[in-house]
Amino acid sequence: GAVVSQHPSWVICKSGTSVKIECRSLDFQATTMFWYRQFPKQSLMLMATSNEGSKATYEQGVEKDKFLINHASLTLSTLTVTSAHPEDSSFYICSARSGRTLNEQFFGPGTRLTVL
Amino acid sequence: AQKITQTQPGMFVQEKEAVTLDCTYDTSDPSYGLFWYKQPSSGEMIFLIYQGSYDQQNATEGRYSLNFQKARKSANLVISASQLGDSAMYFCAMREREAGGFKTIFGAGTRLFVKA
Repeated sequence: GAVVSQHPSWVICKSGTSVKIECRSLDFQATTMFWYRQFPKQSLMLMATSNEGSKATYEQGVEKDKFLINHASLTLSTLTVTSAHPEDSSFYICSARSGRTLNEQFFGPGTRLTVL
Repeated sequence: AQKITQTQPGMFVQEKEAVTLDCTYDTSDPSYGLFWYKQPSSGEMIFLIYQGSYDQQNATEGRYSLNFQKARKSANLVISASQLGDSAMYFCAMREREAGGFKTIFGAGTRLFVKA
């Protein structure tokens, strides 16, 4: 199957700093990428959908100025958590879909963010 | 209102027996997709099975089958011949159209424990 990677796999940062998480599709071109966050013992919550070359579409309640998403190429999307606070600590998961696999999203392994 | 409902927070099954994980959904989109994902303790999301709203037959993938009851809006996952490695969180998800594309939303999940 298609492979999606995320980097870093975990990160610890101080409150007030910004953190960038990368999501890469390794063996296919991802026309659409999705960003989710998952709190412990909870389900995945979709944060935003990004299509290559266009602005991301954010879900209701997600601050677009806080969670900056860039999908500049068909293999890379980045999520930047700006001015992170402890309540932003979560498991962030990206997924990617190609134009040829509309029925299937391929998930990255996730990034665990801890804000002190 | 909940779009995806998984009423079983936890389930136990004896190894080698079959188990059914419940999922009901709500949508007004006539063209939607239903997914099941497995999330082991390591955190990665693993795609298991997909059912399109217009598919006449229930989807099957190896030991996984989806019991699609369209009129009842249910999409239960059946795992046959359970294995110890099946112990994990299982999420039901639905993809529906919205302006500009579509999005996938997840249920709360069911934790499956397979007993030896």
